[in-house]
Amino acid sequence: AQSVSQHNHHVILSEAASLELGCNYSYGGTVNLFWYVQYPGQHLQLLLKYFSGDPLVKGIKGFEAEFIKSKFSFNLRKPSVQWSDTAEYFCAFSLSGGYNKLIFGAGTRLAVHP
Amino acid sequence: SQTIHQWPATLVQPVGSPLSLECTVEGTSNPNLYWYRQAAGRGLQLLFYSVGIGQISSEVPQNLSASRPQDRQFILSSKKLLLSDSGFYLCAWSGQGDGNTIYFGEGSWLTVV
Repeated sequence: AQSVSQHNHHVILSEAASLELGCNYSYGGTVNLFWYVQYPGQHLQLLLKYFSGDPLVKGIKGFEAEFIKSKFSFNLRKPSVQWSDTAEYFCAFSLSGGYNKLIFGAGTRLAVHP
Repeated sequence: SQTIHQWPATLVQPVGSPLSLECTVEGTSNPNLYWYRQAAGRGLQLLFYSVGIGQISSEVPQNLSASRPQDRQFILSSKKLLLSDSGFYLCAWSGQGDGNTIYFGEGSWLTVV
């Protein structure tokens, strides 16, 4: 079955620490990959996405993610987090030609302490 | 610009009562529309999607149904709510075609008591 695994359910960091959130998907075909973020009290927003081309994708607020096809992974990174990055982060993928049906991971709650 | 709204934002309903959550999209035409449910620790689960008026696909068997009476209106319903229907429901839209970004509404908290 198609699924997304996010390895860390809760992450706690201090400001300026580096961040890497793991994401692996289960599907053998071509996929589109996404990271969404949900800040406290706000709705889900797109952080970045990968459809094709350069496997290193840069998103908003200094985030980036790298698609490694051989590992079925799409890890999210940020070199130096800020308190305002406190949020829940969701990895997702959709199948190419699949009506944009997103399959989500369980999410990772990030808490950044000043 | 495109906007998506869903209501009500919160709802407390007794077991066995009906449900209607509404969602509308503005600023675009012929969108794909989705209903998701978010459960704590389990991410978001796709419940229904629609590629056009009257065209509804269900992803999981459940006590809920969806309808699309107009191009930019998507309704989530139930005739008789169960306790297990409690959760956070999100409406979303995307453009037609593959690979379009999906945009989410503010969500609706449903508590069945």
